[in-house]
Amino acid sequence: ETGVTQTPRHLVMGMTNKKSLKCEQHLGHNAMYWYKQSAKKPLELMFVYSLEERVENNSVPSRFSPECPNSSHLFLHLHTLQPEDSALYLCASSQDLGLAGVGPYEQYFGPGTRLTVT
Amino acid sequence: AQTVTQSQPEMSVQEAETVTLSCTYDTSESNYYLFWYKQPPSRQMILVIRQEAYKQQNATENRFSVNFQKAAKSFSLKISDSQLGDTAMYFCAFTPGGTSYGKLTFGQGTILTVHP
Repeated sequence: ETGVTQTPRHLVMGMTNKKSLKCEQHLGHNAMYWYKQSAKKPLELMFVYSLEERVENNSVPSRFSPECPNSSHLFLHLHTLQPEDSALYLCASSQDLGLAGVGPYEQYFGPGTRLTVT
Repeated sequence: AQTVTQSQPEMSVQEAETVTLSCTYDTSESNYYLFWYKQPPSRQMILVIRQEAYKQQNATENRFSVNFQKAAKSFSLKISDSQLGDTAMYFCAFTPGGTSYGKLTFGQGTILTVHP
């Protein structure tokens, strides 16, 4: 496997289900991201993990719970979702250089998980 | 908070011609980075080009170049000699320079269709 992979690629779940999305990066990066891509809204940054610590949480509802067990893996645990949570969920990774203001912060994206909540 | 605006929901161009996609942004940051990402149909998002705000010279990558107007907060993408494989959604994105990781804010995207 190369780059950033995500599983599953498609997921249909009921509002009372619990499921998890998985992301794995094979690039040796140490920062990982979750984004939500809805049909009618710009991509929204949800969470950022750097060096396995959550450093950003952009007011995401608690029904989304991220987990980063190591620098190569990122999970998004889902429970009690709403139909409006249906979207493409993208994972990305980058190299955190450890110095504020030092770019270029290039992010590499996975193919996404298409989530449908029924 | 930063905002990124792409005012062209859809654009089309003939193969081999040149097209320019527009992007404006709003920020109070002095140090930041701008990007154009490409998302082909049903394929992964990939970086097209990036620009550091402190650099006056416009970035270029083969057929792709930007026109970065810092005072006007404008960051347009020019695609020369358009190819069928350029058909995709293009996103303009901004990240502030105050952290060691990225915090991308994306525009709404422009769907570009290249016609043979």
